[in-house]
Amino acid sequence: AQSVTQPDIHITVSEGASLELRCNYSYGATPYLFWYVQSPGQGLQLLLKYFSGDTLVQGIKGFEAEFKRSQSSFNLRKPSVHWSDAAEYFCAVVTEDGGNKLTFGGGTRVLVKP
Amino acid sequence: GAGVSQSPSNKVTEKGKDVELRCDPISGHTALYWYRQSLGQGLEFLIYFQGNSAPDKSGLPSDRFSAERTGGSVSTLTIQRTQQEDSAVYLCASSLGERGASDTQYFGPGTRLTVL
Repeated sequence: AQSVTQPDIHITVSEGASLELRCNYSYGATPYLFWYVQSPGQGLQLLLKYFSGDTLVQGIKGFEAEFKRSQSSFNLRKPSVHWSDAAEYFCAVVTEDGGNKLTFGGGTRVLVKP
Repeated sequence: GAGVSQSPSNKVTEKGKDVELRCDPISGHTALYWYRQSLGQGLEFLIYFQGNSAPDKSGLPSDRFSAERTGGSVSTLTIQRTQQEDSAVYLCASSLGERGASDTQYFGPGTRLTVL
């Protein structure tokens, strides 16, 4: 069965600084990869997704993620964070033999210092 | 257009009572999912409906949990004889259902269930 690991439970970053959130997956083939964001009291919003092709994908709100097959990673980045980026971020995978359901990592909570 | 809606937004119940949680998917979406978000278990899949196919119930934690989807649209998740460990946020998602695993799932705001 596939699994997703987000090594960092909490990250604190200063407003205007860069942000990188780590995600590693365990699966034999290349899964479909997603990053979702959950703001306090809100549902999950899709930031970006990777299926195939260019390994650097652009998403909403200025986020991007890079798929690295050799490292089984799909890290999320933003060059300059805004206070509104404070939220919890979830990496997730779907596999074609996994029944179309999302398997989520444990999440990374991002705090933004002024 | 309208997103996924869920009701109620909050539900407080007593241990042993039954509860029903409702999900209205995005119009035209044939796939519907239920997930649970709890402090101890994180985000976990519960059940998946796709069109008229038999649902994938592989994530339901016990036979106290059941779900149905009427007319290919609205879904109800029922928890019988609730236990304190059922306290969680229950999230519903829907997708077009056209591309299988690569479909984007759109999530509702969730129902926060508290079992006293």
